[in-house]
Amino acid sequence: NAGVTQTPKFRVLKTGQSMTLLCAQDMNHEYMYWYRQDPGMGLRLIHYSVGEGTTAKGEVPDGYNVSRLKKQNFLLGLESAAPSQTSVYFCASSYSSLVAGDSNQPQHFGDGTRLSIL
Amino acid sequence: ELKVEQNPLFLSMQEGKNYTIYCNYSTTSDRLYWYRQDPGKSLESLFVLLSNGAVKQEGRLMASLDTKARLSTLHITAAVHDLSATYFCAVDQRRGGADGLTFGKGTHLIIQP
Repeated sequence: NAGVTQTPKFRVLKTGQSMTLLCAQDMNHEYMYWYRQDPGMGLRLIHYSVGEGTTAKGEVPDGYNVSRLKKQNFLLGLESAAPSQTSVYFCASSYSSLVAGDSNQPQHFGDGTRLSIL
Repeated sequence: ELKVEQNPLFLSMQEGKNYTIYCNYSTTSDRLYWYRQDPGKSLESLFVLLSNGAVKQEGRLMASLDTKARLSTLHITAAVHDLSATYFCAVDQRRGGADGLTFGKGTHLIIQP
């Protein structure tokens, strides 16, 4: 079982460059999320999606865009990378409340993408 | 705004000892989660706590939830080195979990022989 797969795993960018991080899940989850993790900060939500074709802003959305054209994929874009976006990015997915109800289904996380912006 | 606070943020303890990590959150929430993260790795789900008074145990770890106090605890019994990791608690921002999770800053746990 692949679960949640993130590509690439590592990337170094120069300030002003653009790139897209890809997240793919094979669990038929409705909900998908992008978080960033910085030292001593825990994880912070960037954007999320509750279904194909829908996206919404999280806690720290500035400088990022997302798209969910297919249910299994959630893309995170950086249009003009800045050093402040150096971080580890995690994608996660989960069942919707309609499917999971009150069950104890957690969010499932990918292995992360380590992004450095010089 | 939902806030989640963990303490301690750093804990060094000896094998065989017991200790508790605390997680406070600021507003009513649906579910509380505990995750484990090893250095350079992903987050592994440990527990999902759904209701007041919920208690779950897995090996040397036990988690509990008091929704009235907005407090969850992660208790470690007779710690072993393999439990060294960073532990996060997280809370649903909205009922059903659609809006994502708010995480605490994590507790970095080192267990020494």
